[in-house]
Order: sequence, then structure tokens, then C-alpha cells
Amino acid sequence: DIRMTQSPASLSASLGETVNIECLASEDIYSDLAWYQQKPGKSPQLLIYNAKSLQNGVPSRLSGSGSGTQYSLKINSLQSEDVATYFCQQYNNYPWTFGGGTKLELK
Amino acid sequence: EVQLVESGGGLVQPGRSMKLSCAASGFTFSNYGMAWVRQAPTKGLEWVATISYDGSSTYYRDSVKGRFTISRDNAKSTLYLQMNSLRSEDTATYYCTRGGGLDYGSYGVLDAWGQGASVTVSS
Repeated sequence: DIRMTQSPASLSASLGETVNIECLASEDIYSDLAWYQQKPGKSPQLLIYNAKSLQNGVPSRLSGSGSGTQYSLKINSLQSEDVATYFCQQYNNYPWTFGGGTKLELK
Repeated sequence: EVQLVESGGGLVQPGRSMKLSCAASGFTFSNYGMAWVRQAPTKGLEWVATISYDGSSTYYRDSVKGRFTISRDNAKSTLYLQMNSLRSEDTATYYCTRGGGLDYGSYGVLDAWGQGASVTVSS
């Protein structure tokens, strides 16, 4: 199985700041990577797919990058609505696997 | 509007069975692969099973292989998950998800999620 190591596990930042969340795959996943946002008590929502493509309706403040085994999600100009847990997911091989999540809070 | 509505969750004893359903609307169900993803209380996400758009191909995580069966009825736009020989470690919220397929180049891009069905396995 491909292991997805996500960091940090938690993050506290101020409004307007820029934050970065990293995801490291245990082997090359050829950009078959998605990012999801899960707000408390809600279902996950797709943010980014194919490592850097923004899902329709997602603010352009969010962006994805990376290749091979290293990927990241960047949130510019942090807003209160960004408070959530973020997960990365690889879909290059079965079983599809998720990172452990990054809980983003406001400072 | 794409909607996925799960039903069939609840409390079940270890070793017993339970069947989840997911009613889909707002899109052509038969054009999309579908998957179940679960989340144990206060834990992360775990992929469970995937079925192709026509039901001809299915994939499972090892821990549920031989116990769970994913299926679909395209005429009813409904996805199912039959869970047998349930264990305490199967306790989770089970999400029905749509695999984006041709829209994204892979079934693995889960672009729509239901609200989740809670399954508790306990005596």
C-alpha cells in the first residue's frame, strides 16, 4: 500500500496569513493526488485534483503543487471559512489511501 | 444539483450483517464509478470499495475483502454496500462518493460525497 504522510498534523494561523500543508507519498504517484476539506460535522469536499487542478467553485486563494512523491496545498490570505481539516489522497494505485489530516485553526 | 443520500446505518452486533444504500440524483448515475469511504470516530478517511460505472469491476480494501460487497442498480440510481461478519473495527461513518471518472481522468477523484451513514458495531 502507498503510505501518505501529511504534515503538520495541526496548524494555527492568523487571518490573512499564508499556510502550507505537505503530503509525502511512499512512492511515486505521478500527480494522482487530490486534496479535500472537511469542516466540523460535515462531509469532505474536493478542493484540488491531479495535484494542481482547482475544483469548480473553489477560491483561487487555494492552490496545489508537487510531483513524484512530494505535494503541497497552499492557502493564501487565510479566511475564517478555511477553518477545517484537510486531507490528501492518492488514487494512483489501489488501495486508495489518505493522509492523516491537517487540522487548521485560527490563532 | 448532485445529491447522494445514504441510508441503512445503525447499531449492529459483531458478526451480524447490515446493508447500506445510497440514492443518487442530479446526474446520470450510470456514467460514473462510485465508491464507499469510511471515517472512524475522530479518525481519518479510509477507502473501502469502488465499483465501475457498469458494475463490471469492483475493488476492495484487504480488511473488508470477502465480507463486504459493493453493488449498484443503475435503473434505480442506487449504490449499495452489503456488510457481513461485521467487526468492532468497522464502526465508522460510511460515505457514498462519486468517482469523477472521465471528468477528471480517474475514478479516484471523489467529487461528490453524501452526508454519511453511521454504523456502530457493538454488543
